[in-house]
Amino acid sequence: GAVVSQHPSWVICKSGTSVKIECRSLDFQATTMFWYRQFPKQSLMLMATSNEGSKATYEQGVEKDKFLINHASLTLSTLTVTSAHPEDSSFYICSASTRGHQSLGSPLHFGNGTRLTVT
Amino acid sequence: AQTVTQSQPEMSVQEAETVTLSCTYDTSESDYYLFWYKQPPSRQMILVIRQEAYKQQNATENRFSVNFQKAAKSFSLKISDSQLGDAAMYFCAYYGGSQGNLIFGKGTKLSVKP
Repeated sequence: GAVVSQHPSWVICKSGTSVKIECRSLDFQATTMFWYRQFPKQSLMLMATSNEGSKATYEQGVEKDKFLINHASLTLSTLTVTSAHPEDSSFYICSASTRGHQSLGSPLHFGNGTRLTVT
Repeated sequence: AQTVTQSQPEMSVQEAETVTLSCTYDTSESDYYLFWYKQPPSRQMILVIRQEAYKQQNATENRFSVNFQKAAKSFSLKISDSQLGDAAMYFCAYYGGSQGNLIFGKGTKLSVKP
């Protein structure tokens, strides 16, 4: 089946530095990728939606200048946490869609997630 | 806006027994999809079962089945013959509309007692 690879799975960084998380679709073309954030013992909260070749759409309350999303190809989307602070520590998960975002029923495949710890 | 509600933060079941996890949702759309995802301690999101709203027949996947009540906007998950490996967080999710992203409930933590 379709596989989404997310890297790194775990990262520790110092406050003020930037961290890049990659999300790759390995055997399909992902026209749309979604980035979620999950706090401990909570649900997944959508941060942004990215379509290949266009700017990401951010959810209300998500700082687009802090969480930079690039979807330069049909197989790769990146999330960069800029000037990270301890409150950015969280679990980040990406998912990828095999069809255009306006198609209902498009299966969504999840990466394994990235645990970010900012010290 | 669509919402998904899971009213059971935690549930417990004896091994080999049956348990039902509740989920309700709110939407004005007529065409949508509903999902149950399992998230074990590894935090990998695993699709358990999926239901198309236009289908009247309840979806079934081995020991997992749903009770989909469209008029009541209810979508419960039944796990039969529970196994220790079923212990995890279970998220109910809604998918529809032009956005195409999943809307998750807050989750239910399922414990399985040996």
